[in-house]
Amino acid sequence: DVKVTQSSRYLVKRTGEKVFLECVQDMDHENMFWYRQDPGLGLRLIYFSYDVKMKEKGDIPEGYSVSREKKERFSLILESASTNQTSMYLCASSLGIAGGQETQYFGPGTRLLVL
Amino acid sequence: QKEVEQNSGPLSVPEGAIASLNCTYSDRGSQSFFWYRQYSGKSPELIMSIYSNGDKEDGRFTAQLNKASQYVSLLIRDSQPSDSATYLCAVNSPPTSGTYKYIFGTGTRLKVLA
Repeated sequence: DVKVTQSSRYLVKRTGEKVFLECVQDMDHENMFWYRQDPGLGLRLIYFSYDVKMKEKGDIPEGYSVSREKKERFSLILESASTNQTSMYLCASSLGIAGGQETQYFGPGTRLLVL
Repeated sequence: QKEVEQNSGPLSVPEGAIASLNCTYSDRGSQSFFWYRQYSGKSPELIMSIYSNGDKEDGRFTAQLNKASQYVSLLIRDSQPSDSATYLCAVNSPPTSGTYKYIFGTGTRLKVLA
């Protein structure tokens, strides 16, 4: 079974703090994704990576950065947390095959509250 | 802007009935379609994927795809209270670089009444 883990289930931070969210997958997947999920807005893609050290902006990259130094680990960084970044953050991974016929597997999510 | 549309619900059905969930998408280039179930406070889990026009059945679940009309649906037969969740439709987006991305709908909340 694919396993995607995230470093924290719940996190409370102060405005202006630098925040690190970690995601690890154990199935040698090429692709990894970071989403945020907010009521009424659905899942929105922040950043994704299709190879080590490769990253691409998603739909809402502002205020975020990412790091992928190893294939199994994809980190999301909030450089200076703001209250509008309070959200559920979901990491996902997929195998990375031609044609896009592949499943994304999600981690359990991190619920971040910025005060 | 490529979009995936779902009725937010809630869709309420009695136990044992068929629940029908619908999704429309705007990008004619999309080739792969996915239904995820998400319980409150949990992360999405895949129920079904479908790539070709027609029906695909898996147990109590049937996915239907019509590329000409740009819609995909999910039928749940013999609905159970444990099926109460939000159902997310996801459509793959042909890559501009790197790899395929999903576009998610905002989800339909299903309530199965005992």
